[in-house]
Amino acid sequence: EAQVTQNPRYLITVTGKKLTVTCSQNMNHEYMSWYRQDPGLGLRQIYYSMNVEVTDKGDVPEGYKVSRKEKRNFPLILESPSPNQTSLYFCASSTSGASSYNEQFFGPGTRLTVL
Amino acid sequence: AQSVTQLDSHVSVSEGTPVLLRCNYSSSYSPSLFWYVQHPNKGLQLLLKYTSAATLVKGINGFEAEFKKSETSFHLTKPSAHMSDAAEYFCVVSDYNNDMRFGAGTRLTVKP
Repeated sequence: EAQVTQNPRYLITVTGKKLTVTCSQNMNHEYMSWYRQDPGLGLRQIYYSMNVEVTDKGDVPEGYKVSRKEKRNFPLILESPSPNQTSLYFCASSTSGASSYNEQFFGPGTRLTVL
Repeated sequence: AQSVTQLDSHVSVSEGTPVLLRCNYSSSYSPSLFWYVQHPNKGLQLLLKYTSAATLVKGINGFEAEFKKSETSFHLTKPSAHMSDAAEYFCVVSDYNNDMRFGAGTRLTVKP
């Protein structure tokens, strides 16, 4: 089944404790992206990747890191989480980024709480 | 820069009545427009998309949307609401390089 998977689905952590949220897609998509969803703000893009070893900042990259060593995986890293990073996070993927027509396929989301 | 405005944060309808969720966009290019739906505790699912072909786009579950360039609108409609339509709906604009901008969302409530 074609899908985007994220782990963990739920995470409660404390300020300053490094964490990684994994994202994997099995559709051979070049483009992958991370979003955060907050009430009343819709989804905002954190980072995106047009292909392996190519990443770029989205609208709200502060406090986050990503890597794209393999085509299928795009982990989101919070080196020192803070309470304002409490949010619902979505990973998404699509075929080649050089087009506006391609829909993005979304993972199920990761609900992160930082105490 | 492109942007999306969803004109209603919450819409409430009775089952069997029409649904209208409003979306206006701003884009410097010929945009692609999408509607996504998010059911409670679920990820986002594509309802429909406009990509410069027919201006009236039909999607899943009986939803459709009409692209009106003169009004910069892409409103989502459905003739008859079903209880299972209760969800949050996002209008999205994309102009190039998958730079997708989401609206703030409209929560649809369907009353029995």
